[in-house]
Amino acid sequence: GNSVTQMEGPVTLSEEAFLTINCTYTATGYPSLFWYVQYPGEGLQLLLKATKADDKGSNKGFEATYRKETTSFHLEKGSVQVSDSAVYFCAYNFNKFYFGSGTKLNVKP
Amino acid sequence: EADIYQTPRYLVIGTGKKITLECSQTMGHDKMYWYQQDPGMELHLIHYSYGVNSTEKGDLSSESTVSRIRTEHFPLTLESARPSHTSQYLCASSEYGRGTNTEAFFGQGTRLTVV
Repeated sequence: GNSVTQMEGPVTLSEEAFLTINCTYTATGYPSLFWYVQYPGEGLQLLLKATKADDKGSNKGFEATYRKETTSFHLEKGSVQVSDSAVYFCAYNFNKFYFGSGTKLNVKP
Repeated sequence: EADIYQTPRYLVIGTGKKITLECSQTMGHDKMYWYQQDPGMELHLIHYSYGVNSTEKGDLSSESTVSRIRTEHFPLTLESARPSHTSQYLCASSEYGRGTNTEAFFGQGTRLTVV
């Protein structure tokens, strides 16, 4: 069936550390893939997306590459900031949206 | 910036009261959604709509109801609120018929507390 699996959190990092949040998906075909971010008390915002295999989405220093072979879309950032503390959701759209369960990131000064 | 709005942002209400959570979007999107978000952060689809006069139940059973009389408006109603309805409710919208590329736009959410 269709699903998105994300690494469980919370993830706690020091400022300027490297971030990876793993995401794998099971889908029919090759849908576009999304990362959303939810800051405390807010709704979800689109962070980045990739529409086809080998595409790299990027925004605000975050990157994710659409890997068809491994059905993955891992989120990375080279140097996190305290302001990146939020919940991150991996997702795709195939007639409806499939979201991962969310990964909470805490960045300490 | 997304043009989708939810009101109220916060609501504390007594058991048994009827409530309506409002959601409006100005993007002309046909598809609209309601999600319930539990404290563990996971999103649960409770209702969606393909357009005017279309409403469907989502993956998570909910005692709430929705209506879609106008494209831009997708209110959610609870006839008799109970403490188990306490949650964060998120409304979203997206274009319809553009395949898998289309993204969802979310409102800021309504945090409902039933006492």
